Amino acid sequence: EVRLVESGGGLVQPGGSLRLSCAASGFSFRDYGMHWVRKVPGEGLVWVSHINSDGSITTYADSVKGRFTISRDNIKNTLYVQVNSLRADDTAVYYCAREYSAAAGYFDFWGQGTRVTVSS
Amino acid sequence: QSVLTQPPSVSGAPGQRITISCTGSSSNIGAGYDVHWYQQLPGTAPKLLIYDNTNRPSGVPDRFSGSKSGTSASLAITGLQAEDEADYYCQSYDSGLVRVFGGGTKLTVL
Repeated sequence: EVRLVESGGGLVQPGGSLRLSCAASGFSFRDYGMHWVRKVPGEGLVWVSHINSDGSITTYADSVKGRFTISRDNIKNTLYVQVNSLRADDTAVYYCAREYSAAAGYFDFWGQGTRVTVSS
Repeated sequence: QSVLTQPPSVSGAPGQRITISCTGSSSNIGAGYDVHWYQQLPGTAPKLLIYDNTNRPSGVPDRFSGSKSGTSASLAITGLQAEDEADYYCQSYDSGLVRVFGGGTKLTVL
């Protein structure tokens, strides 16, 4: 069974940092591209970042470029995102999602999410 | 503002058919990129509902169907059930292979 379990969220002050993690199990993690997607309260889903299967290619939404860094550890089967210089509009539930294939471009499995609240 | 445009809400009575539109542009849906749909039930993670415009993953009832034409796509739900009440999102690629979502549509079953 594919499982994605996020952790690391919490309450942080503006300008602060967090590292979110996503522990993967039930599939060959090293063979899949992975993404972070966030849902802002009262708004829709927003794609945040992508990393390819071996970690050599990363992409970011313009709103987080320069502040967020996605990475992965294919030995520990874990996806990460380092989120720095947090702003109030980064408040959201952050989901990790598996990409079915690079060509396909859709997310076939999602974690349950970890909540990040940016507030003083 | 989302790159893909969806109606904020739709509603229907049990047993009825509803459709949810997803309108893009020449840089995403109109460029030939496939459209995918997700269902997010209250308090849960999104779930893949339709992939590659028209395909249903295993376990998704055939009451759900998708279509795509030009710069738009649609999700149809027939035989509406109370358990279908959820938020629905379309998703595609945009120029530069950025993934983009629609703003989401809240389905209310009357």
